[in-house]
Amino acid sequence: AQSVTQLGSHVSVSEGALVLLRCNYSSSVPPYLFWYVQYPNQGLQLLLKYTTGATLVKGINGFEAEFKKSETSFHLTKPSAHMSDAAEYFCAVKRSQGNLIFGKGTKLSVKP
Amino acid sequence: ETGVTQSPTHLIKTRGQQVTLRCSSQSGHNTVSWYQQALGQGPQFIFQYYREEENGRGNFPPRFSGLQFPNYSSELNVNALELDDSALYLCASSFTVFGGGPGEQYFGPGTRLTVT
Repeated sequence: AQSVTQLGSHVSVSEGALVLLRCNYSSSVPPYLFWYVQYPNQGLQLLLKYTTGATLVKGINGFEAEFKKSETSFHLTKPSAHMSDAAEYFCAVKRSQGNLIFGKGTKLSVKP
Repeated sequence: ETGVTQSPTHLIKTRGQQVTLRCSSQSGHNTVSWYQQALGQGPQFIFQYYREEENGRGNFPPRFSGLQFPNYSSELNVNALELDDSALYLCASSFTVFGGGPGEQYFGPGTRLTVT
C-alpha cells in the first residue's frame, strides 16, 4: 500500500529564510510524487511533480523538490520565503488507479 | 481553456438530508475524481469516474454516490447526511488515455458543506 507522511503540521519561518517542508513516502512501485499548495478557502494548486528522470524537480513560485529513493523522501524547498508563500502544503503519491493519496498537510507561516 | 468549476460554493444542510454537488471538468478532460477534505486534514479519495462509470473508490460508504455525464461533468450525491460529512469537497479532472491510467489532476475550488 502507498502512503505519505508529512513531518511537522506547522512550520514557521522568517521572510527571506529557507523553507523546508518534509515528506516521506511508502510505495512498492516507483512512485509518482506531487506537491500541492492550498491557500485559505481555495482548492489545490499543483506546485511540482516527479514522475521519472531527473530527481531534482523545479516548480512554480521558486519551489523545488528532490526525490531521494534511498531515503524515500521528497522534501520541498525554497531558498527565500516570501509573505505570499504562507499557505498549507500537501505532499501526495499517485496510485496506479490514478487517484492521489495525500499527507495531512503542513501549514507554512511566514513572519515579517 | 476553462478550468475545473464546482457548485455551489457553500452549502448548509441538516443531518439526515441529502445533498448534490456538481463539477464541470476542464476542457479536454474525460475523468473526474472526488475528494473529501475534513478540517485540518489532507484530501481523501472518494471515487473516480471515467466514461460515465465508477472505476475506483476509496473507503466511503454507499451513501456516497456519483454520476458522470456525456459531457464529462459530474455529480456527487450524499444521502442521510451525518455531522462528520461536514468538509470541503474537491473535484479534480484529468485525461485518461484509453488503456492507460489517468493523467495529471487539476482541482476545482471546492464546495464547503456544513451539516448541522
